[in-house]
Amino acid sequence: GDSVTQMEGPVTLSEEAFLTINCTYTATGYPSLFWYVQYPGEGLQLLLKATKADDKGSNKGFEATYRKETTSFHLEKGSVQVSDSAVYFCALSGDSSYKLIFGSGTRLLVRP
Amino acid sequence: DTGVSQDPRHKITKRGQNVTFRCDPISEHNRLYWYRQTLGQGPEFLTYFQNEAQLEKSRLLSDRFSAERPKGSFSTLEIQRTEQGDSAMYLCASRQTSNEQFFGPGTRLTVL
Repeated sequence: GDSVTQMEGPVTLSEEAFLTINCTYTATGYPSLFWYVQYPGEGLQLLLKATKADDKGSNKGFEATYRKETTSFHLEKGSVQVSDSAVYFCALSGDSSYKLIFGSGTRLLVRP
Repeated sequence: DTGVSQDPRHKITKRGQNVTFRCDPISEHNRLYWYRQTLGQGPEFLTYFQNEAQLEKSRLLSDRFSAERPKGSFSTLEIQRTEQGDSAMYLCASRQTSNEQFFGPGTRLTVL
């Protein structure tokens, strides 16, 4: 079945460092891809999405490009802030139910 | 607040007891999803409704679990004869025509 694999955390960075969180997927069709973020004490929020190959999703300085050839959707940010500390989940939606299949999450800790 | 709401936010119960959770989706969202999230993992799909019809159930949803969405508005998730392995965060999400699912804050269940 469909699945998502993302890099294990925690990832610890200094403020203004470059961030990459790797995400790869397995799907039989042409899924939509998502990054969700969970800030401490809060619910899941959609960060960005891409619905077809070569699409780039972006929001709040974060970017991810839908790479069909490598089945990847890596999350990047050029300069992280302390306020970016959270758990990040990669997810896909691959059928008519639109149910989400999530990776296990990557905790990001940004130090001042 | 017009977001997805869930009640209760926390529930502590003894093994063998029955529990029921409620989810109120965003008004006019026709699809409603339930997920379960255990510590350190991503959410896992349990079931979803389109209006009042339950269209898919995961294999994770054992016979002790039942979900309803009468009149296509709020939904309830009941767990009978709870077990310690049922301890988790239960998340509800709703969706209309866009590709985005909006998540509630979750109900954290602890089974003693």
